[in-house]
Amino acid sequence: DIQMTQSPSSVSASVGDRVTITCRASQGLGSWLAWYQQKPGKAPKLLIYAASTLQSGVPSRFSGSGSGTDFTLTISSLQPEDFATYYCQQANNFPLTFGGGTKVEIK
Amino acid sequence: EVQLVESGGGLVQPGGSLRLSCAASGFTFRTYNMNWVRQAPGKGLEWLSYIGTSSSTIYYAHSVKGRFTVSRDNAKNSLYLHMNSLRDEDTAVYYCARESQAYYGGTGYLFFDNWGPGTLVTVSS
Repeated sequence: DIQMTQSPSSVSASVGDRVTITCRASQGLGSWLAWYQQKPGKAPKLLIYAASTLQSGVPSRFSGSGSGTDFTLTISSLQPEDFATYYCQQANNFPLTFGGGTKVEIK
Repeated sequence: EVQLVESGGGLVQPGGSLRLSCAASGFTFRTYNMNWVRQAPGKGLEWLSYIGTSSSTIYYAHSVKGRFTVSRDNAKNSLYLHMNSLRDEDTAVYYCARESQAYYGGTGYLFFDNWGPGTLVTVSS
């Protein structure tokens, strides 16, 4: 099975900060990676798929990059509504697997 | 508007069974692959199961294989998860998720573009 490792597990940041979250896969994924945002008590929301394609309706301050085993989610200027937990997901092989999550907290 | 609504969660004793349902609306259900994902309290997301459009292709996570069975009824726009031999560690919010694909250069990239609000399953004596 493909293991997904996210770092950091949590980050404290202020509104306006640039935040970068990384996701590393235990084997190459090509571009088969998606990113989700989850707020407390809510279902996850798709942000990015195919490693770098922004889902319709998602603000352009979110971006994704990477291929193979190393991927990055960047929030260029953190907004109050962006405080949440972020997950990467590999979609290259079954069983599909998620990273452990990165909680973005208010500094 | 795409809607997915799970139901059937509740309190069940260890070793018991439960059937979850996911009612779909706002899209042509029979043309989409579907998945189940769960989240234990305070923990991350765990993918559980995939079912293809015609039910001919099914996958499970190791943690539930042999105990959980996914099915669908395209005539009723519904997805199901039959859960047997439930354990304490199966306590979680269970989500159904619609899978979509985007094609670039002949390669299809899958992702979960719509999720239900989830239903809580508590396994406890």
